[in-house]
Amino acid sequence: SYELTQPPSVSVSPGQTASITCSGDKLGDKYASWYQQKPGQSPVLVIHQDIKRPSGIPERFSGSNSGNTATLTISGTQAMDEADYYCQAWDSNTFWVFGGGTKLTVL
Amino acid sequence: EVQLVESGGGLVQPGGSLRLSCATSGFIFSSYAMSWVRQAPGKGLEWVSAISASGGSTYYADSVKGRFTISRDNSKNMLYLQMNSLRAEDTAAYYCAKEDRGENHFDYWGQGTLVTVSS
Repeated sequence: SYELTQPPSVSVSPGQTASITCSGDKLGDKYASWYQQKPGQSPVLVIHQDIKRPSGIPERFSGSNSGNTATLTISGTQAMDEADYYCQAWDSNTFWVFGGGTKLTVL
Repeated sequence: EVQLVESGGGLVQPGGSLRLSCATSGFIFSSYAMSWVRQAPGKGLEWVSAISASGGSTYYADSVKGRFTISRDNSKNMLYLQMNSLRAEDTAAYYCAKEDRGENHFDYWGQGTLVTVSS
């Protein structure tokens, strides 16, 4: 079965750039999506098709995907960005797959 | 405005059954595939099941295959998940999620309904 691996936690200072990685076999050949989930809330799509931002998502959120790694980058991180982030891809055998999630701490 | 509202969660004994519902509005329901995604307490997201726009194709995670059945009623804009032979490890918040057409990601999520499997 296809698996996606994320670091459990990432820390960043306010105003700095946060990078969250997601690794999977030949992930660059698939589309990666990213979801933000704040405590007690439902997930929100922040990046899809590797690099696209849905309407309403701030420009400080960006994505990339190449080789075996997709990356979510948050530039000028704000306190409101503190949340859990999940990557997701689609595999023809496993179907919809999520990474284990990364807790972003802004301190 | 797209809205997804889940219901039907609750406390059930191991081996029991439960049927979840998701009422949708704000989009042409019959044009979009839908999924159920769950999240155990303090854990990550796990895709559970999906159904095509017409309902003619269904997909399941190995962890629920043979026990859960996804269905939809396009005339009522409703999505369902019939859960049988429930286990303690099925305890989770269950979200219904709308798939962005043909793009294999989820652009809208419901608020979730909690299923607790315990004696």
